[in-house]
Amino acid sequence: GAGVSQTPSNKVTEKGKYVELRCDPISGHTALYWYRQSLGQGPEFLIYFQGTGAADDSGLPNDRFFAVRPEGSVSTLKIQRTERGDSAVYLCASSLGQGWGETQYFGPGTRLLVL
Amino acid sequence: DQQVKQNSPSLSVQEGRISILNCDYTNSMFDYFLWYKKYPAEGPTFLISISSIKDKNEDGRFTVFLNKSAKHLSLHIVPSQPGDSAVYFCAARSYNNNDMRFGAGTRLTVKP
Repeated sequence: GAGVSQTPSNKVTEKGKYVELRCDPISGHTALYWYRQSLGQGPEFLIYFQGTGAADDSGLPNDRFFAVRPEGSVSTLKIQRTERGDSAVYLCASSLGQGWGETQYFGPGTRLLVL
Repeated sequence: DQQVKQNSPSLSVQEGRISILNCDYTNSMFDYFLWYKKYPAEGPTFLISISSIKDKNEDGRFTVFLNKSAKHLSLHIVPSQPGDSAVYFCAARSYNNNDMRFGAGTRLTVKP
């Protein structure tokens, strides 16, 4: 079956602009995660959804970052007033449930470049 | 704070030999550990995991060892194959926390 998909695959924007990054999880997966991976680093947790609600948004760096999952499936990560330091690969992952041992399946990521 | 560390940014081994990738962690609350493999332009792919109640888990050519007292885990690949060439991430999480922490990764190159 289809895996996690993310669009766009690449996004170039200018400092101060607004961007939206989309994630389509695996069908039937109730848990959805967003991570950010900077160059030379591992993925860094941003936010976790269980169903439609953000169960844990402790990883969002500041209030310029916001994510939604209105129908419990597709999620959008929104970044306002982008800064050059926001340049990174944004990864989305989904899992069947929220259990401790649930495997997270990752999408290919969106590479964001803020000029 | 980097709670999961992979101190070797790269490793090169000959095909057929053993690859050993290492990972250290600092948070004693971590009780579930995972290894992910990543090819260029793809997302990380789950490889193998281990819970803190075990010290070894094996899946085909891949074995993960956990030393809780040393807060250290390692991934052994034997025999190594050229298709294993990728970046390997160690990750850890705790039972009551959704925040999975990753190391910076080790780039493995298996030479034919």
